[in-house]
Order: sequence, then C-alpha cells, then structure tokens
Amino acid sequence: DQQVKQNSPSLSVQEGRISILNCDYTNSMFDYFLWYKKYPAEGPTFLISISSIKDKNEDGRFTVFLNKSAKHLSLHIVPSQPGDSAVYFCAASANTGNQFYFGTGTSLTVIP
Amino acid sequence: NAGVMQNPRHLVRRRGQEARLRCSPMKGHSHVYWYRQLPEEGLKFMVYLQKENIIDESGMPKERFSAEFPKEGPSILRIQQVVRGDSAAYFCASSPHKRAEQFFGPGTRLTVL
Repeated sequence: DQQVKQNSPSLSVQEGRISILNCDYTNSMFDYFLWYKKYPAEGPTFLISISSIKDKNEDGRFTVFLNKSAKHLSLHIVPSQPGDSAVYFCAASANTGNQFYFGTGTSLTVIP
Repeated sequence: NAGVMQNPRHLVRRRGQEARLRCSPMKGHSHVYWYRQLPEEGLKFMVYLQKENIIDESGMPKERFSAEFPKEGPSILRIQQVVRGDSAAYFCASSPHKRAEQFFGPGTRLTVL
C-alpha cells in the first residue's frame, strides 16, 4: 500500500524555467515532509523539509508547498539548472510513527 | 565531517550464501535506518535502530534478514541464504534524533547470482 505517491515518473524542463514536482499522500496523520534528490549510484541527498504547521518553505531556488486539505505537496525549482537533473523523492512521516514513507521518485531532466 | 559510510559498495553473492552490509553513521548520530530500493521502485523502509536497540523492524522480512547496531562499531544488515529477489540497492541513513532529516550513505548494491 503506497502511502506516498509521485504519479509522474519523469519530467523534462528547459534550463531557466520552473520545475514543479508533485507528491500526494493518503495518511492524514503525516505531519512532516521531506524532499530528497538522488544522482545515479549515489545515496539520496536531503533538499528541503516542511512541517504541517506551515504551507510553504523556501530555501534558495527550492520552495516546497503543502496543501493539507488536498494531501498534496509540491517542490518548485526556479530557475532550473542542468545540474538539477536527478531523481527526486518525497517522503512523509507521522508523529506517531518511526519511519519515513518514500514515493517512487520523479526523474527530472533539465535541458540546456 | 565524514558522511554516512557504507561498505562494501558492491557485493556479489551466489544463492544460498550470506550477505553482510555495513553502515557507519555520521558522527553524533545514534539513529540508523535501513532501506531497500528495487529497480524502478522507491525506497522501502526496512528497519530503524538506535544504539543496541531495534526500534522498528516492521519493514524487514521475517526470515533470513536481521539487523544490529552494537554499542561499538557499525550497524550491520545481514541477509542469510540469499535469493535472486534480494538483489537490490540497500541504503543506510542516520539522523541525530528521531524524525530529523536523514543523511544517506552511498548504498550497497547487492547482486545475487
């Protein structure tokens, strides 16, 4: 049972434009969300997080938006750069639990 | 500061052999998580450990798999009598406390022949 879903396996964006990666979740108990970036043959690298008490968190070119009523979060990257080409995973956890649940990832390609 | 270390990076085993995967967390981190990634899939939680204790092993198969995080030394994920379906990338992550951002190692790619 996939509690965190990334329905777009891949996304291509022109350099300089905005990349929007989406993530949906089913468990209303989730209150803490993370985004990770992964290059081939490497481990995931933490990008940005958001707590359910907020609806937006920004860090440089990366902004995460949380819509609790829709159980949806998105990662915006602007402007997109070729070095952003990677697989992006969202992850969620509940205060009552011990683990993070990961989505299946979205492969982003930024075209120079 | 050294990051999370995993070794070996690549491991080849024949069916029926044992696989031992090691993870040294970041300095100061006492929480360790193991994940498995099958081809074309996301990261699947396996087990969460704190020093000398297994906190949550709900994601780990009941048979053949075990994990430990001793007081001294790395965390070990042990797979006995490996089968072809165990072939995957196994990632370890550590954090300074529960539900903090997790820092991942480079992974161990296990291939079972």
